[in-house]
Amino acid sequence: EAGVAQSPRYKIIEKRQSVAFWCNPISGHATLYWYQQILGQGPKLLIQFQNNGVVDDSQLPKDRFSAERLKGVDSTLKIQPAKLEDSAVYLCASSLAGTGTTYEQYFGPGTRLTVT
Amino acid sequence: LAKTTQPISMDSYEGQEVNITCSHNNIATNDYITWYQQFPSQGPRFIIQGYKTKVTNEVASLFIPADRKSSTLSLPRVSLSDTAVYYCLVGGINTNAGKSTFGDGTTLTVKP
Repeated sequence: EAGVAQSPRYKIIEKRQSVAFWCNPISGHATLYWYQQILGQGPKLLIQFQNNGVVDDSQLPKDRFSAERLKGVDSTLKIQPAKLEDSAVYLCASSLAGTGTTYEQYFGPGTRLTVT
Repeated sequence: LAKTTQPISMDSYEGQEVNITCSHNNIATNDYITWYQQFPSQGPRFIIQGYKTKVTNEVASLFIPADRKSSTLSLPRVSLSDTAVYYCLVGGINTNAGKSTFGDGTTLTVKP
């Protein structure tokens, strides 16, 4: 079974530029998550989708971050404009069904973003 | 919202048993306890999940006392490759991921 795919793996941009990350979850997984992980900290949930609907985006900085999962499969996370404090690893995860934390999340390798 | 508390770091030696305890005093009746492992430059990976008493799989054991206010992840005979960050999460079927945060985890360092 193929895992969660993410691209790019690394990205370096200057502040105020825009960047987009792509995630393709495991086939059949209804729930998709985007996390931000700053060096030395645990992952912080940015947004959670159930199929193509948003379950939780309470920690998404909506003035600069946006995410979509139009067909309920792959997803894109965008930052516009980027700030220095956005430097982090952006992790995508998916789970088979449901929104509860009892469902095992499968994580992708992440995209390491450096904002200079 | 069940908050969890774990030690920041632990050291061990190869071949020893390691026990990492997580405190979750406000755990709700429907909450499960889930542990994830994260290696550098990788996403977290599910290790084990339990509700009460003891759960064992090929990787670890999870001990949960009757009051469920804490849990202990037990790794038998650790090796260097078990060096990683371990996260404890508490939540249930209706708890979305945002209300069951990873926290900063426990960094386990296994020495030769």
